[in-house]
Amino acid sequence: QVQLQESGPGLVKPSETLSLTCTVSGGSISSYYWSWIRQPAGKGLEWIGRIYTSGSTNYNPSLRSRVTMSVDTSKNQFSLKLSSVTAADTAMYYCARDKSSGGPYWYFDLWGRGTLVTVSS
Amino acid sequence: DIQMTQSPSTLSASVGDRVTITCRASQSISSWLAWYQQKPGKAPKLLIYKASSLESGVPSRFSGSGSGTEFTLTISSLQPDDFATYHCQQYNSYSRTFGQGTKVEIK
Repeated sequence: QVQLQESGPGLVKPSETLSLTCTVSGGSISSYYWSWIRQPAGKGLEWIGRIYTSGSTNYNPSLRSRVTMSVDTSKNQFSLKLSSVTAADTAMYYCARDKSSGGPYWYFDLWGRGTLVTVSS
Repeated sequence: DIQMTQSPSTLSASVGDRVTITCRASQSISSWLAWYQQKPGKAPKLLIYKASSLESGVPSRFSGSGSGTEFTLTISSLQPDDFATYHCQQYNSYSRTFGQGTKVEIK
């Protein structure tokens, strides 16, 4: 079955750029929207943004100025870059697959296990 | 953004109990609500979408109801595998938002 696996550095310095990759296995990345979601310790989940396999993106307005997403269909991977990080960006980061309920209504039907990113000097 | 409020934050229950978790939206979201189960170190799992539709493979003891601003997730008979954290998520608006989670603990 389709599985998602996040990877990337677990420690990032303040003001630097956080970079994560999600690898999709057991199925094709094509023709789906793929999202990034994060969860600071003890807090709720926050949607960061999503990318379609054509490269089209939608970002959370609260993070838009710092987020860049990309996709590499040849590797079945998509990526997240979050710039100018601070301690507030310390969180578990998840990748997930979007699924439509019909029309512009999307939930997440498949998730990775997550990767912890700590922002600290 | 639409705010989602879950209650309770923590729930203590025994195997076999009927468990209900509530999720309230700050404005109407029609039936555009999903529920997820999260266990430590594991990928969150979709349980319910469109407020009451059971995801394929999810046991029938899980059910969802509600529309507008108030929703519930019910576990009809709590099983040992069900001790976890549960999240609701609205997808009525562009910026999809989640509740803060409800942890179901062993009593």
